[in-house]
Amino acid sequence: AQSVSQHNHHVILSEAASLELGCNYSYGGTVNLFWYVQYPGQHLQLLLKYFSGDPLVKGIKGFEAEFIKSKFSFNLRKPSVQWSDTAEYFCAVTIKAAGNKLTFGGGTRVLVKP
Amino acid sequence: GAVVSQHPSRVICKSGTSVKIECRSLDFQATTMFWYRQFPKQSLMLMATSNEGSKATYEQGVEKDKFLINHASLTLSTLTVTSAHPEDSSFYICSAPPSPASGGDEQFFGPGTRLTVL
Repeated sequence: AQSVSQHNHHVILSEAASLELGCNYSYGGTVNLFWYVQYPGQHLQLLLKYFSGDPLVKGIKGFEAEFIKSKFSFNLRKPSVQWSDTAEYFCAVTIKAAGNKLTFGGGTRVLVKP
Repeated sequence: GAVVSQHPSRVICKSGTSVKIECRSLDFQATTMFWYRQFPKQSLMLMATSNEGSKATYEQGVEKDKFLINHASLTLSTLTVTSAHPEDSSFYICSAPPSPASGGDEQFFGPGTRLTVL
């Protein structure tokens, strides 16, 4: 079965700092990749997704992610964070052959200090 | 984007009672919906796949007789936690991908239901 791992459980940084969250998955076949964000007290929202094409994906709120197939990675980046980016971030994967079942990583809790 | 609602948002019940949680896709049809469980400070764990017109598919380790799922229509799935116990207290989240005919390849999440069993 596929699995998704996120390297950092907690990240604390100051406003204007750059953010990079690691995500690796274990599956050798075709995958769809997602990053979701969960702001405090709110439901999951899609930040960005990769299905095919350009491996550098741009999402909402200035986030981007790069799919590196050889490394089975899909790291999330933002050049300059804001206090409002404080949230929990989840990487997730679906396997095309298995329908739309999402497998989530453990999540990374990001705290941006003003 | 598409909207998925859940009802209730919070429920507190006594041990031994049953609780029903509804998940609705408001502006699209979903032949499949997913139910997740999220423990505090942990990730989402898929519990089951709800299929309109057929039986739900449960993930390994999830008791189908305890977590009853009914996908009554193309816009409604319900999760009933039967004979609830305190260890069932959790945050239950549903999601729905629009059906292929609606061009769906992405899932939309409900706001979640926080269940507390006393």
